[in-house]
Amino acid sequence: ETGVTQTPRHLVMGMTNKKSLKCEQHLGHNAMYWYKQSAKKPLELMFVYNFKEQTENNSVPSRFSPECPNSSHLFLHLHTLQPEDSALYLCASSQEGPGGGTDTQYFGPGTRLTVL
Amino acid sequence: GQNIDQPTEMTATEGAIVQINCTYQTSGFNGLFWYQQHAGEAPTFLSYNVLDGLEEKGRFSSFLSRSKGYSYLLLKELQMKDSASYLCAVRDSNYQLIWGAGTKLIIKP
Repeated sequence: ETGVTQTPRHLVMGMTNKKSLKCEQHLGHNAMYWYKQSAKKPLELMFVYNFKEQTENNSVPSRFSPECPNSSHLFLHLHTLQPEDSALYLCASSQEGPGGGTDTQYFGPGTRLTVL
Repeated sequence: GQNIDQPTEMTATEGAIVQINCTYQTSGFNGLFWYQQHAGEAPTFLSYNVLDGLEEKGRFSSFLSRSKGYSYLLLKELQMKDSASYLCAVRDSNYQLIWGAGTKLIIKP
C-alpha cells in the first residue's frame, strides 16, 4: 500500500537540531492529519489541514510547526525537541475533513523519532 | 471527559475465534471505526459502524450497540498474520476521532 508515504522512516536527533518530517498522499484526498503515537497510549491528534487550511491545532507546543503547501503534501518541522517527544509520528489523509461524509482516514507508515 | 476502553493485550490460538471489546463514553456519537496496526506499520482501516448491529466482512465482523456504548471486533479462523494491534476510535459530536490505546493480539500456533 503506497497511498500515503512518509519520510524518513526513522530519525534520531539532538535537542538542538532542526529537522522536518514529510508526508505525501497519492489518493486525491483533501484533508491531511498529523498524529503522535506513544507506546500504549491512544493516538494524539496534533494538526488537521482541510484544503490546505489548518483547521485543528490541539494545543501542540510551538516546537512542532506544520506546513501544508498543497493538498498532497504535509510537513512537520521540528526544532528544540525534548526527549519526551520521542514517538511514532503518523500522517493520515481523508477524502474530506472531519464531518465530511467520506472522512475515513488512511495512514502512512510513520516516522519513528528519537530525541536524545 | 471522553474515554475509550479496550483490553491492553489478548492471546488466542491459530484457527480459533477472538472477540475484542471496546466501550466508549463520548460527547455524542457519529460512528465507530476499527483499525489494524502491525508492528512498525501504518494503521489500516477495517470497519465502520454507525448503526446498531453486526457488519460482516469476510473473517472479520464488527458489532455496535449505541445504547450500551459498546462495540466488538470478531475475528474468525485466526491466522498468524492477524497478530497485530487493533484500534477502536469513536467520532464524537464535533466529528473528532477519539482513539483507544489499542489491543495487542497475540496469535499462538
